[in-house]
Amino acid sequence: AQSVTQLGSHVSVSEGALVLLRCNYSSSVPPYLFWYVQYPNQGLQLLLKYTSAATLVKGINGFEAEFKKSETSFHLTKPSAHMSDAAEYFCAVFGNQFYFGTGTSLTVIP
Amino acid sequence: GAVVSQHPSRVICKSGTSVKIECRSLDFQATTMFWYRQFPKQSLMLMATSNEGSKATYEQGVEKDKFLINHASLTLSTLTVTSAHPEDSSFYICSANPGTESSYEQYFGPGTRLTVT
Repeated sequence: AQSVTQLGSHVSVSEGALVLLRCNYSSSVPPYLFWYVQYPNQGLQLLLKYTSAATLVKGINGFEAEFKKSETSFHLTKPSAHMSDAAEYFCAVFGNQFYFGTGTSLTVIP
Repeated sequence: GAVVSQHPSRVICKSGTSVKIECRSLDFQATTMFWYRQFPKQSLMLMATSNEGSKATYEQGVEKDKFLINHASLTLSTLTVTSAHPEDSSFYICSANPGTESSYEQYFGPGTRLTVT
């Protein structure tokens, strides 16, 4: 069975500060892992994905995530937050279907 | 890139009526489409998987007679919420998978906000 846990339903950072959104996964098979972003009343936009290639994955808008098997983690980071990064972020694992985390709401303080 | 549209983006209907939501893949053929439901401030939950020309596969706990799914063509899937009630109010999101790519390659639509009064 697959699942993901996102620690922290709300994260606030100052503009220009480091963004760190945490995701831990549980999977009985080598996982495919994803981060999606959702703006209000919109669908999901793929930020990045890990599909068993390089463990450090670079995505759009300056985001990246590192797959750490020993920690069963796939945390999302961005060196410098921008106001436009304020949104809901979902971590997901794919087995025979997507299993999404409960989401982390990112607030960027000017 | 692959684009998926949904129509309508927002709909308000009266309790007891039915409402149809369309999901279209605009620039690719989608052999498989997925329907998700998202409650406020919560995650997405897969409701059903639809394959073109065959019956949809519903997840446990999803009433197939209430949420009718039709995937009549390779670019269109519809979700009909029958006899809607206020508890059906939610954000419904579809995704589509081009059959030529891995099954995790899903392109998500912008969602439909359903409000049942």
